[in-house]
Amino acid sequence: QKEVEQNSGPLSVPEGAIASLNCTYSDRGSQSFFWYRQYSGKSPELIMFIYSNGDKEDGRFTAQLNKASQYVSLLIRDSQPSDSATYLCAVKWSGGGADGLTFGKGTHLIIQP
Amino acid sequence: DGGITQSPKYLFRKEGQNVTLSCEQNLNHDAMYWYRQDPGQGLRLIYYSQIVNDFQKGDIAEGYSVSREKKESFPLTVTSAQKNPTAFYLCASSQQISNQPQHFGDGTRLSIL
Repeated sequence: QKEVEQNSGPLSVPEGAIASLNCTYSDRGSQSFFWYRQYSGKSPELIMFIYSNGDKEDGRFTAQLNKASQYVSLLIRDSQPSDSATYLCAVKWSGGGADGLTFGKGTHLIIQP
Repeated sequence: DGGITQSPKYLFRKEGQNVTLSCEQNLNHDAMYWYRQDPGQGLRLIYYSQIVNDFQKGDIAEGYSVSREKKESFPLTVTSAQKNPTAFYLCASSQQISNQPQHFGDGTRLSIL
């Protein structure tokens, strides 16, 4: 059974601080890792994706991947109230092709003004 | 604008009725997907299609059917065999190349009358 695990939260972070969201996955051969943001009642919106070990930065967001530890994280710097949402971690398993993603249940992030 | 259009936004099903959810994309993506999301849960893959006239079952295909007669369209039918259809249904698409991120439509909320 291929699984993606996230702490459901809520994770409460003061405005302006760094929010750190974590995700672990079960298949060591996984290829691709995605972070989506989902506001209540809305569809998921792609925030970041990462394929290689290390860090990938895009504006206030940094994705970190450690394949040896089967761990991927998302850092949000200078957190804003508009960052309050559920963050979904998604993993594409090895095997190639355009098959589906496996999602974690999401971490509910609250940025306190 | 390029994107993924799902309709209707809200749908109600009577007992014993089949209903069809529409998904159209103008992104020229080869691959399309259907996911189901239940409250407080991650997304679960129902069906996916990598190319016209071909589709594959996902993790929870029972009680659902799809077709892919055109590249732009991937409708999902929720049949009467699906005993617990109340959920948020999300359609996504991606380029055929492996590792490409999936982008989502706005979703359809299905409820039982």
